[in-house]
This record gives sequence, structure tokens and C-alpha cells, in this order.
Amino acid sequence: NAGVTQTPKFRVLKTGQSMTLLCAQDMNHEYMYWYRQDPGMGLRLIHYSVGEGTTAKGEVPDGYNVSRLKKQNFLLGLESAAPSQTSVYFCASSYNQDLLTGGNIQYFGAGTRLSVL
Amino acid sequence: GQQLNQSPQSMFIQEGEDVSMNCTSSSIFNTWLWYKQDPGEGPVLLIALYKAGELTSNGRLTAQFGITRKDSFLNISASIPSDVGIYFCAGQLETSGSRLTFGEGTQLTVNP
Repeated sequence: NAGVTQTPKFRVLKTGQSMTLLCAQDMNHEYMYWYRQDPGMGLRLIHYSVGEGTTAKGEVPDGYNVSRLKKQNFLLGLESAAPSQTSVYFCASSYNQDLLTGGNIQYFGAGTRLSVL
Repeated sequence: GQQLNQSPQSMFIQEGEDVSMNCTSSSIFNTWLWYKQDPGEGPVLLIALYKAGELTSNGRLTAQFGITRKDSFLNISASIPSDVGIYFCAGQLETSGSRLTFGEGTQLTVNP
């Protein structure tokens, strides 16, 4: 199993450019998440999805859009990139609850390192 | 905003030493998770805790879910160079559904 796969791994954008980050999971998870990681700030939730065709805002949603057209894919879009969006972006997925314990475990991709100049 | 306080922010230790880090909050959590992130990689789950007072081990790692449900700690015994990385705590609030709240991370450096 590949688990959670993110593409691309690295990207450099100019201010104002747009791009889409792709996340794919092969674990049949219902839930998917996009986080950004900045030095000293841990992981902050941007948007998430509890199922195909549904999305919701997280802690820091401004400047980002998402789509979940297929259960296995979750796309993160930047319509007009800004230097403040320079970060490492992580996608994660989970079941709606762990089948044995009733809790929630999220599995992460390797990240996309984005620089906006 | 951030609801988890993780400490220490960084640690520099010698190989063979034991390590302890913790997370505290003013909120009550249903689940505590501990992740490790290696350089250039995504976080990987180390230990999951689901009940107040639960003490769970994974090899040299031991973690506990605080009785008040507002804190958790992670201990690493007899550290080795491959323990280097960033350790994150994460909690699932009663009111947050599947969403996790992450601590700011503890950067661990192990000197051979």
C-alpha cells in the first residue's frame, strides 16, 4: 500500500500564480485533511472533508480552496499565491473512527514544500 | 487558536539518556496521539491513547493519558541517534469530531 501520496513534493511559485496540490489515499478512508506546518507553530488545519463531495473550513482556511470529487482524492488550491503561503503542506486521512477503539488516527503524506517568491 | 501547550520546545541529550516531554491543555480530550516527524517526512504515529489513566508502551516509548484528560506525557528510554526528530502530541476534543489539535512540537537532538 502506498498510503497517502502527495504531489508535487516541491514547488516554487511567484506571487499571484495559482496551483493545485494533489493528495491521494488508497486506504478507503472517509475523512481527509490539509494542514500547513510553519516553524514553531506545529500543524494547523486548513480544510478538511468528511466524505466525497463535502468540505469544511479548518483553523486557517483563507486563501485556499479544496475539492473532494472522489473519495480517494483531496485537492488543495491556491488561486493567487502570496509569500505568507510559503510553508510545508501535509495531507492526512482517517476512518471516521478506529474500528477497534472508537478513536481517530490520522495518517500523513510526506508533504509538499512550497515557496512563494 | 492553539489549545495544546507542548514542552519542552527542544532537547539536546546524549545517547543513552532518557527523555520526557508533555502536553497540557485547559480543554478535555477524548484521545491523545503522539507522532514523530523525521526530517523531510510527514508525521508518523507512535502511540495512541483512548482512556484517562491509560499507560501504553511501544518498545522504548511509553505514553500516558492524564487522569484529568487534559494532559499527556511521552517518555523515551535509552535514547539512540535515530530518535532524532520532532515529536508532536495531538488531541481529539469532545466537540471537534474527527479533527485533531496539535502541539507545537518538541525537537529532539541526540548526540552519539
